[in-house]
Amino acid sequence: DVKVTQSSRYLVKRTGEKVFLECVQDMDHENMFWYRQDPGLGLRLIYFSYDVKMKEKGDIPEGYSVSREKKERFSLILESASTNQTSMYLCASSLGGLSLGYTFGSGTRLTVV
Amino acid sequence: KNEVEQSPQNLTAQEGEFITINCSYSVGISALHWLQQHPGGGIVSLFMLSSGKKKHGRLIATINIQEKHSSLHITASHPRDSAVYICAVRGQKLVFGQGTRLTINP
Repeated sequence: DVKVTQSSRYLVKRTGEKVFLECVQDMDHENMFWYRQDPGLGLRLIYFSYDVKMKEKGDIPEGYSVSREKKERFSLILESASTNQTSMYLCASSLGGLSLGYTFGSGTRLTVV
Repeated sequence: KNEVEQSPQNLTAQEGEFITINCSYSVGISALHWLQQHPGGGIVSLFMLSSGKKKHGRLIATINIQEKHSSLHITASHPRDSAVYICAVRGQKLVFGQGTRLTINP
């Protein structure tokens, strides 16, 4: 069964901490995405990557960075966590080219206190 | 105005009822996704369609490209169908609706 795995389901971090959210996919997908999901706002794209070492800003990249050193792993980094980054974070992947199917991870609920 | 609008936002029904969730969009798209999110957060892709109709078990998804509208139907609804259903459209990027929270009571 193909998977997108997010390393943590729940995280609690303190304001100012550096936070790493990890996402690994085993489907050899080219594209990987990080979204955050907030009540009333739906899913919003933070960053995406279409190849190793490549990254593109999404709609709300401020306060975040990403790393893709290997094809299967896409990390989201909060350089200095703030309370307004408390949210559900979802990772997804898809094949490149004309394929449009997406596979989502189970999500990481991050609370910044 | 959001590019993707879902209705209703919340829907409560009795087990066995026929359910319809609607999605309207305002942008040109190459495909539309219906997603299901259960409590706990994980999202499952139900359908991806660009024309016509698809059926999987008790779920049916339709799309009318000219009217920029899609519907997700659930026949013989069951409490395990309780979830948030999300419509997402693929243009230059994937744009999500805000979701419809469905609760099916026994």
